[in-house]
Amino acid sequence: AQRVTQPEKLLSVFKGAPVELKCNYSYSGSPELFWYVQYSRQRLQLLLRHISRESIKGFTADLNKGETSFHLKKPFAQEEDSAMYYCALSERRSSNTGKLIFGQGTTLQVKP
Amino acid sequence: NAGVMQNPRHLVRRRGQEARLRCSPMKGHSHVYWYRQLPEEGLKFMVYLQKENIIDESGMPKERFSAEFPKEGPSILRIQQVVRGDSAAYFCASSPTSGGPGSEQYFGPGTRLTVT
Repeated sequence: AQRVTQPEKLLSVFKGAPVELKCNYSYSGSPELFWYVQYSRQRLQLLLRHISRESIKGFTADLNKGETSFHLKKPFAQEEDSAMYYCALSERRSSNTGKLIFGQGTTLQVKP
Repeated sequence: NAGVMQNPRHLVRRRGQEARLRCSPMKGHSHVYWYRQLPEEGLKFMVYLQKENIIDESGMPKERFSAEFPKEGPSILRIQQVVRGDSAAYFCASSPTSGGPGSEQYFGPGTRLTVT
């Protein structure tokens, strides 16, 4: 069965420190992976997706099929990065309905 | 474009009552997804609809839950005879395309249902 695991409920770092939010997935086919972010009092929004290979707000994520991971990284955390982060998976095939399978979420707290 | 709208934002129901949650997708979007988030858990897919059609309801509980997306008006998630375990945040998302690979889902602010 498809599953997304985010092992850390809370990650607390100081401003300027590197950040890595972990995400592992279980899926037999070819997945599409996403990171969504929810800032305080705002709605869930897409941060980045692996097929775009882009960097958003200094965050990057690389799909590692060997380790079935899609960890989110940023070299220098900022206080405004404090938010809830969700890793999500979608099946990557033509018959896919696009439904997302979410991890449990990790709260990132960046201290001044 | 006001984004995905959901109402009400908060809904309190007594056990046994019905709950109706509404979702208006973004302008131009004809694909709607509903997700449920139980306390301390991630979002879980419930149902995917296109206008007048339920495409995938694999995440819907077998009883008491139903969804629709009529030709005119918002998508409705209906929960009959609510129980305490239905207390959760219900999120709606819409997308502009067929929901295939690469299409982005835009989320609403959610409806927080509390069953007393």
